Amino acid sequence: EPEVTQTPSHQVTQMGQEVILRCVPISNHLYFYWYRQILGQKVEFLVSFYNNEISEKSEIFDDQFSVERPDGSNFTLKIRSTKLEDSAMYFCASSPTGVGTFGSGTRLTVV
Amino acid sequence: GESVGLHLPTLSVQEGDNSIINCAYSNSASDYFIWYKQESGKGPQFIIDIRSNMDKRQGQRVTVLLNKTVKHLSLQIAATQPGDSAVYFCAENPSGGYNKLIFGAGTRLAVHP
Repeated sequence: EPEVTQTPSHQVTQMGQEVILRCVPISNHLYFYWYRQILGQKVEFLVSFYNNEISEKSEIFDDQFSVERPDGSNFTLKIRSTKLEDSAMYFCASSPTGVGTFGSGTRLTVV
Repeated sequence: GESVGLHLPTLSVQEGDNSIINCAYSNSASDYFIWYKQESGKGPQFIIDIRSNMDKRQGQRVTVLLNKTVKHLSLQIAATQPGDSAVYFCAENPSGGYNKLIFGAGTRLAVHP
């Protein structure tokens, strides 16, 4: 069964550093998403991406965040200057239409 | 504002019993709802969905009920098994498009032998 693949599974970074979280969506999917989940809390929407542009973003997705689809297979989330409160699980999802298939996530720890 | 919430944070059941997990949503314009299962260390896994023009939808051992009058969603799991132990999230699509899902807080289901 096709999967959404995320790397790395765990990333530790120092506060103020830039991180790039990587995702390989399912190949024939057109819609891409990033969500985050702070430990013990609910999953929160960050951004949706379609046709090579952001289609919707949440208030969490401020100027420190950006997304990119640099080639035909990867979908990345960049955090320019990480803060302690960015520590969370970050999930990528993709879908051909409305229902997203989620990856297993990247645990980001900012120290 | 928009919100999706859950009535019970933890549900403990005996193996073989039926489980019911509840969810309240606040956006009456939402027209699409999904239940996800999340096991430890994994991403949310789709279980079942329902559109607002339906009251009930059945899958394999799972049933979702939608009550639009009181903005309530429930997930019923028949003959609960140890493998069903996980956190269950309801999610709503408030915009009707393919953009975002708003997730509830989650209910932990613990199945005891």
